[in-house]
Amino acid sequence: GENVEQHPSTLSVQEGDSAVIKCTYSDSASNYFPWYKQELGKRPQLIIDIRSNVGEKKDQRIAVTLNKTAKHFSLHITETQPEDSAVYFCAAQDYGGSQGNLIFGKGTKLSVKP
Amino acid sequence: GAGVSQSPRYKVAKRGQDVALRCDPISGHVSLFWYQQALGQGPEFLTYFQNEAQLDKSGLPSDRFFAERPEGSVSTLKIQRTQQEDSAVYLCASSWGLAIGVYNEQFFGPGTRLTVL
Repeated sequence: GENVEQHPSTLSVQEGDSAVIKCTYSDSASNYFPWYKQELGKRPQLIIDIRSNVGEKKDQRIAVTLNKTAKHFSLHITETQPEDSAVYFCAAQDYGGSQGNLIFGKGTKLSVKP
Repeated sequence: GAGVSQSPRYKVAKRGQDVALRCDPISGHVSLFWYQQALGQGPEFLTYFQNEAQLDKSGLPSDRFFAERPEGSVSTLKIQRTQQEDSAVYLCASSWGLAIGVYNEQFFGPGTRLTVL
């Protein structure tokens, strides 16, 4: 089955700096890669996603890149703000396969210091 | 409109008790998922429903775990004879379309935090 590895587990940056979180996956059939932000005690919320036919996607200060050959994808947050502090999860899914569930990484706790 | 809701938000059970966790998906959503999130970990898949049919229960950790969605909307996750290792946040997610073939965003509920003493 699919396995998703996520690094780093914790990340501390100064306000205004960039943050990068990296994930690798094992199943080449995976074709959809969402990123979720989870604030303490709250539900995971989708912040950006990418499908396997696209190499890069950007939404304001957030971007995601995908390298299918190497089976890794990354989240980039520029001009970080204190409100970006949260736990971020990457996930992988094969939505054409027999299972539609998401396989999540273990999460990255991002702290943005003012 | 209303998002996915779950109840109770917090549940404390003594070891050996049975618990029932409820999920109200977004109205009209066909697919419903249950995930278990241990402290400091990512959500892990438990089971999946398409309408009232439970199509995948491969993630349920033991036969003490049982889920149902009898009318294709509200779902209940039941845990019998709870153990300390069952302590976790149980998340429900729903999406409006089929989970196979076409991607549809999964919307998560706030979760139920289960603590087994």
